[in-house]
Amino acid sequence: GENVEQHPSTLSVQEGDSAVIKCTYSDSASNYFPWYKQELGKRPQLIIDIRSNVGEKKDQRIAVTLNKTAKHFSLHITETQPEDSAVYFCAASKRSGGYQKVTFGTGTKLQVIP
Amino acid sequence: DADVTQTPRNRITKTGKRIMLECSQTKGHDRMYWYRQDPGLGLRLIYYSFDVKDINKGEISDGYSVSRQAQAKFSLSLESAIPNQTALYFCATSDITLSHGYTFGSGTRLTVV
Repeated sequence: GENVEQHPSTLSVQEGDSAVIKCTYSDSASNYFPWYKQELGKRPQLIIDIRSNVGEKKDQRIAVTLNKTAKHFSLHITETQPEDSAVYFCAASKRSGGYQKVTFGTGTKLQVIP
Repeated sequence: DADVTQTPRNRITKTGKRIMLECSQTKGHDRMYWYRQDPGLGLRLIYYSFDVKDINKGEISDGYSVSRQAQAKFSLSLESAIPNQTALYFCATSDITLSHGYTFGSGTRLTVV
């Protein structure tokens, strides 16, 4: 089955710096790659996603890049702010038996230091 | 927002007890899921359902059962709770193509003592 590895597990950055979280996946059939943000004590929420026909997608200070050949994708947060502090999960999804099977990474705890 | 609601929010139960976690949604989604979150392990799929007549096992279904009582309701049961089922449980919904990813509920923190 699909295996998604996520690095680093923890990341501390100074406010205003950039943060990068990387994920690799094993199944070349995966075609949808969402990123979720989970603030302390809250539910995971989708912040950005990318499909396999696109190499990069941006939404204000966040961007995701996808390299299908190397089977890796990354989340980039620029001009980090304290409210960016959270756990971030990547996921890879592929069509399997009539549904989009989703496999999550193990999460990255991002701390933005004021 | 309260479009995916889980009850209870927190629960402490004893080993061997039966417990039910409930999830209801107003998203109008056909697809509902139960996930378990453990520190360092991410989110793992327990069961999923495409509609009221369709139930499927996920990667860690042993020790759990589910019921899809209606399009909007999906409950998770632990028939005989054990301590290693202590975790944070999330219900989630989606449309067929995951066009907007998952919408998660607020979670149920379950402790089995």
